[in-house]
Amino acid sequence: DAKTTQPPSMDCAEGRAANLPCNHSTISGNEYVYWYRQIHSQGPQYIIHGLKNNETNEMASLIITEDRKSSTLILPHATLRDTAVYYCIVRVGTNAGKSTFGDGTTLTVKP
Amino acid sequence: SAVISQKPSRDICQRGTSLTIQCQVDSQVTMMFWYRQQPGQSLTLIATANQGSEATYESGFVIDKFPISRPNLTFSTLTVSNMSPEDSSIYLCSVEVGGLRGDTQYFGPGTRLTVL
Repeated sequence: DAKTTQPPSMDCAEGRAANLPCNHSTISGNEYVYWYRQIHSQGPQYIIHGLKNNETNEMASLIITEDRKSSTLILPHATLRDTAVYYCIVRVGTNAGKSTFGDGTTLTVKP
Repeated sequence: SAVISQKPSRDICQRGTSLTIQCQVDSQVTMMFWYRQQPGQSLTLIATANQGSEATYESGFVIDKFPISRPNLTFSTLTVSNMSPEDSSIYLCSVEVGGLRGDTQYFGPGTRLTVL
């Protein structure tokens, strides 16, 4: 699996958009970008994933650059409950087996 | 998606004892995983458990310490044997679910283990 780099921490004001970056410059053509978050020692929660097109669901949007070497997870209107550790993972889409977790970004949403 | 439950949710155990953690999934899945998350750390994979075959352990983890059972496609157990305080962690069960746009891994709520 390709290695990812994320900032260790970020702050965001409640109600504003939270933009979480991830660098994955060694991503292969068949590898997807997945995002998870972990709220205070709960199990990681799947958020969204994509291959090369931008993706949106009820939780977030995923913007992947054209060269696929980086991506941004966007929480459009952050709330205090979005305070969590966010993990960006790169892996193949099928029969990948395990996911390798880095240190993630600790997002703190402030009132 | 998949809904995963784990038992117990937390436990406090004495040094030298063993604890078996159960993982139940609401649908049949081929691949199940067990992760450990030590305090303040990220997730580390312990082993991959496929039904009908022996679990595959990651470097640094051995079957004698973390025996795993996978009797069917919806259930697995992880035993933490001969525990020491260093085993105090959150243990997480995970499954892989196939999809048209790639497989997705889902996680259980975790079992918080404290060893005294």
